[in-house]
Amino acid sequence: AQKVTQAQTEISVVEKEDVTLDCVYETRDTTYYLFWYKQPPSGELVFLIRRNSFDEQNEISGRYSWNFQKSTSSFNFTITASQVVDSAVYFCALSVRYGQNFVFGPGTRLSVLP
Amino acid sequence: DGGITQSPKYLFRKEGQNVTLSCEQNLNHDAMYWYRQDPGQGLRLIYYSQIVNDFQKGDIAEGYSVSREKKESFPLTVTSAQKNPTAFYLCASSIRESNQPQHFGDGTRLSIL
Repeated sequence: AQKVTQAQTEISVVEKEDVTLDCVYETRDTTYYLFWYKQPPSGELVFLIRRNSFDEQNEISGRYSWNFQKSTSSFNFTITASQVVDSAVYFCALSVRYGQNFVFGPGTRLSVLP
Repeated sequence: DGGITQSPKYLFRKEGQNVTLSCEQNLNHDAMYWYRQDPGQGLRLIYYSQIVNDFQKGDIAEGYSVSREKKESFPLTVTSAQKNPTAFYLCASSIRESNQPQHFGDGTRLSIL
């Protein structure tokens, strides 16, 4: 069975601080895919990134960066120089090769204060 | 614009009543999903469909029913058997491969009168 843990329930930072959201996953499959989604107050989930299990390269996209480490089964997400618009709930999700469905973590609520 | 449309945005249910939540997509995706989100919690899968005229139960299917008569439509009925239906319901769709991201609608918030 697959499982995703996001141990941080809520995080509050002041604007311009860096913040890292943790994601730890469990799966016995050797091929799997990891995702991050953002859920702003309006409610819809916005896809941010997909990473497959064979690619451990870190990725940077503007102020966002992701650190994938298979050795610790983690896929952490860092926001650099946070902004108020980053305030949202962030979900980490896992999908395995022979499964068709996502397993979502419980989410981390990020509040960026001005 | 391509996307997923959920309606209504807000819905109220009376005791003993069935209500149906609409989900339509024009992304030409084969797979569609329904999730339930409770306050402060993650998403739980209710039902999913990989192809027209076929669907499977997710983790919390009791008290819910779905149909998939058309590729673009996947309505969810919350029946009177669902004793605690108050939640935020999200519909999603994807290409039918596990490495593809799911795309989500704006959600329907269901409350009990």
